[in-house]
Amino acid sequence: AQSVTQLGSHVSVSEGALVLLRCNYSSSVPPYLFWYVQYPNQGLQLLLKYTTGATLVKGINGFEAEFKKSETSFHLTKPSAHMSDAAEYFCAVSGGGGFKTIFGAGTRLFVKA
Amino acid sequence: DTAVSQTPKYLVTQMGNDKSIKCEQNLGHDTMYWYKQDSKKFLKIMFSYNNKELIINETVPNRFSPKSPDKAHLNLHINSLELGDSAVYFCASSQGGYPGLAGGGTGELFFGEGSRLTVL
Repeated sequence: AQSVTQLGSHVSVSEGALVLLRCNYSSSVPPYLFWYVQYPNQGLQLLLKYTTGATLVKGINGFEAEFKKSETSFHLTKPSAHMSDAAEYFCAVSGGGGFKTIFGAGTRLFVKA
Repeated sequence: DTAVSQTPKYLVTQMGNDKSIKCEQNLGHDTMYWYKQDSKKFLKIMFSYNNKELIINETVPNRFSPKSPDKAHLNLHINSLELGDSAVYFCASSQGGYPGLAGGGTGELFFGEGSRLTVL
């Protein structure tokens, strides 16, 4: 079975500050890990993904995430927050279930001016 | 040209009614999904079709019946609507399944914009 835990349902940062959104996963098989972003009244879109290879992955809009197997973590970071980053962020894991992607509960990011 | 499109975007209806949501993707993907997002933003998979074959059917009431006439379309029909069915329903598509499987894809899901269902 697989699961995803996102620590913090809400994160608030100031514009220009570091963004850190935390994600821990559980998987009985090698996981494939994803971060998706959802803007208000829109569907989800992929920010970045880890499948195999390099553990530090870069995504769109300046985001990156590092896969740490020993910590079963896949935290999302961005060095400098922008107002346009305010959205809901979902960590997700795939694998083992064939076609099933399991999503975390989401973290709402607020960016203060 | 929208990759994954759902209609309608909004549905407001009374308890007991029946409603349908349609989904179409023009990405050439072979797998399509229905996800339900509740008021707390929690996303849960409901169904998945691969090459028109039902491969995931989570513990969803029988009132929900998906139908995939071809690889590009996946519809969702809901009978006897209940208050608890109020949610946003997302259609998604992908090429293949888990990347580790034979024929597996990238694992990336492409989502539609959602259909917000309100049951009064």
